[in-house]
Amino acid sequence: DVKVTQSSRYLVKRTGEKVFLECVQDMDHENMFWYRQDPGLGLRLIYFSYDVKMKEKGDIPEGYSVSREKKERFSLILESASTNQTSMYLCAGGGWQRDRSNYGYTFGSGTRLTVV
Amino acid sequence: DQQVKQNSPSLSVQEGRISILNCDYTNSMFDYFLWYKKYPAEGPTFLISISSIKDKNEDGRFTVFLNKSAKHLSLHIVPSQPGDSAVYFCAASKDQAGTALIFGKGTTLSVSS
Repeated sequence: DVKVTQSSRYLVKRTGEKVFLECVQDMDHENMFWYRQDPGLGLRLIYFSYDVKMKEKGDIPEGYSVSREKKERFSLILESASTNQTSMYLCAGGGWQRDRSNYGYTFGSGTRLTVV
Repeated sequence: DQQVKQNSPSLSVQEGRISILNCDYTNSMFDYFLWYKKYPAEGPTFLISISSIKDKNEDGRFTVFLNKSAKHLSLHIVPSQPGDSAVYFCAASKDQAGTALIFGKGTTLSVSS
């Protein structure tokens, strides 16, 4: 069974701290994505990556950066955490199923980040 | 500008009845649509998808209908079960080979026994 693993389920950080959220996939997928989920706003795309060392801005990249040094790992970085970055962060991997019948997106369990 | 819209924030259904969740989109370039289910404190779980070349796709109790001319899709759950209670997200992409998904805001389904 394919997996996307996010390193932490819950994090509490102080305002101004640099925060790293880690995501690892075992599906050998080229594409990886970071979203945040907020009540009433759905899932909003922060950044995504089509390949190692490649990144593209999503809809709400301000205050975030990403790193993809290896295919299986996609990190989201909050350069200076602020209280409005308190949210549920979701990582996803995307790729074709083995029989090439469908393109699938698999999500991790999420990291609930609280910035105080 | 919201490209994927789920206009009903919530839906309540009795066990055994049909649940119909609706989704509208504005971008005619979208060609692949997916539904995800999400429980609190968990990541979204894939339910069912449909390509723009089809108008219906079934998987067990779940059926997705696509009306391209109306830019509308719907998810039917029959029969509904209490375990179906969750937030359902509609998502779309412009390229079946995997551009980023654009999500709606979600509909919270409550199935009572």
